[in-house]
Amino acid sequence: RKEVEQDPGPFNVPEGATVAFNCTYSNSASQSFFWYRQDCRKEPKLLMSVYSSGNEDGRFTAQLNRASQYISLLIRDSKLSDSATYLCVVNAPYGQNFVFGPGTRLSVLP
Amino acid sequence: GAGVSQSPSNKVTEKGKDVELRCDPISGHTALYWYRQRLGQGLEFLIYFQGNSAPDKSGLPSDRFSAERTGESVSTLTIQRTQQEDSAVYLCASSLAGNVGEKLFFGSGTQLSVL
Repeated sequence: RKEVEQDPGPFNVPEGATVAFNCTYSNSASQSFFWYRQDCRKEPKLLMSVYSSGNEDGRFTAQLNRASQYISLLIRDSKLSDSATYLCVVNAPYGQNFVFGPGTRLSVLP
Repeated sequence: GAGVSQSPSNKVTEKGKDVELRCDPISGHTALYWYRQRLGQGLEFLIYFQGNSAPDKSGLPSDRFSAERTGESVSTLTIQRTQQEDSAVYLCASSLAGNVGEKLFFGSGTQLSVL
């Protein structure tokens, strides 16, 4: 089983749609969680950290369920510019620290 | 510097040649990471530095790959006797101290093409 798994995608949604991505992780010792965004042929960039109480940044909402070892990202009112691959990242207190999921690709269509 | 800097941005080489890829992390960041990303694939961890030491080099795919870091700053990833399967984007990232919860910042990568 992979350490971090994500919805395989791709997700093709119309502008204005709400879309949700799921992520699960296997290491219960994981302590910090992030969503990164990667545009085509670009480097990953931090979208948002994920906190236990859930957090929101504009149209983006992240949730964490430690008991189920599950993380989610909700995008409301999606824009064309949201088209990218979304990477779930888990931070564990050992070794390389950051474990990346395989990513879920989103295409927002006009 | 203001961000993570990698050079060269593109490298084309012939099979069997050696290549060196360079990474300048954000000034003051002690933790440095190398990743490989093949076309259409996810990020593949290669090696992690804390200062000049590499506590985790478990991702290096073969003994043709090596990396070093000096002065707790610049890092060099060396690939000897390159093969076509080494073609990928090599991404470097840094974080402040390698502690849990810190954010990871990426350079724009080196696109390596082995002919």
